[in-house]
Amino acid sequence: DAMVIQNPRYQVTQFGKPVTLSCSQTLNHNVMYWYQQKSSQAPKLLFHYYDKDFNNEADTPDNFQSRRPNTSFCFLDIRSPGLGDAAMYLCATSSVKSSYNEQFFGPGTRLTVL
Amino acid sequence: SQQGEEDPQALSIQEGENATMNCSYKTSINNLQWYRQNSGRGLVHLILIRSNEREKHSGRLRVTLDTSKKSSSLLITASRAADTASYFCATDSSGSARQLTFGSGTQLTVLP
Repeated sequence: DAMVIQNPRYQVTQFGKPVTLSCSQTLNHNVMYWYQQKSSQAPKLLFHYYDKDFNNEADTPDNFQSRRPNTSFCFLDIRSPGLGDAAMYLCATSSVKSSYNEQFFGPGTRLTVL
Repeated sequence: SQQGEEDPQALSIQEGENATMNCSYKTSINNLQWYRQNSGRGLVHLILIRSNEREKHSGRLRVTLDTSKKSSSLLITASRAADTASYFCATDSSGSARQLTFGSGTQLTVLP
């Protein structure tokens, strides 16, 4: 089945220790998104790729970076995680062939910062 | 920035009852979507309503849209314990930017 896969599902890191979260998709969608979601809150868009075109939200901290080496994969790098970065990180995709911007989400990676 | 506000923030009902969640937004939209999120999981797309539509049905789901009031409602009929989840509205007003702005969510608990 076509899907969005996130690895790992749970990630524990230490304060200040870089961490990379990964997302892959078999939907062949050209748009990929990274969201941060804290407990009982709405998902907050960090950035998205339209093909290789990177779009950063204005309030996304510099601590967060992203790479998209090809259509299928996208990575979220947190260079120096702080306690406030503990959250669920959601990857999503959408297709420009769809008129309606329906997004398909992965199961998320729960990040814990010790 | 968060565009949508949802109410109630939390809703607890008995199995078999109907659940209604409301969403308000601030700017003009292309479409409005509803997503469901089970605890600790990703979001799942439920239903989409375009800005020129007023009502849409999908199984036990009914969505209404009032663009003059910038509001939408999601009705789940004959609720089941498995409907327990958080429900988010999301507005698409981006055109080519292809971004969604999510509401604050309603936590629905359906008691068996």
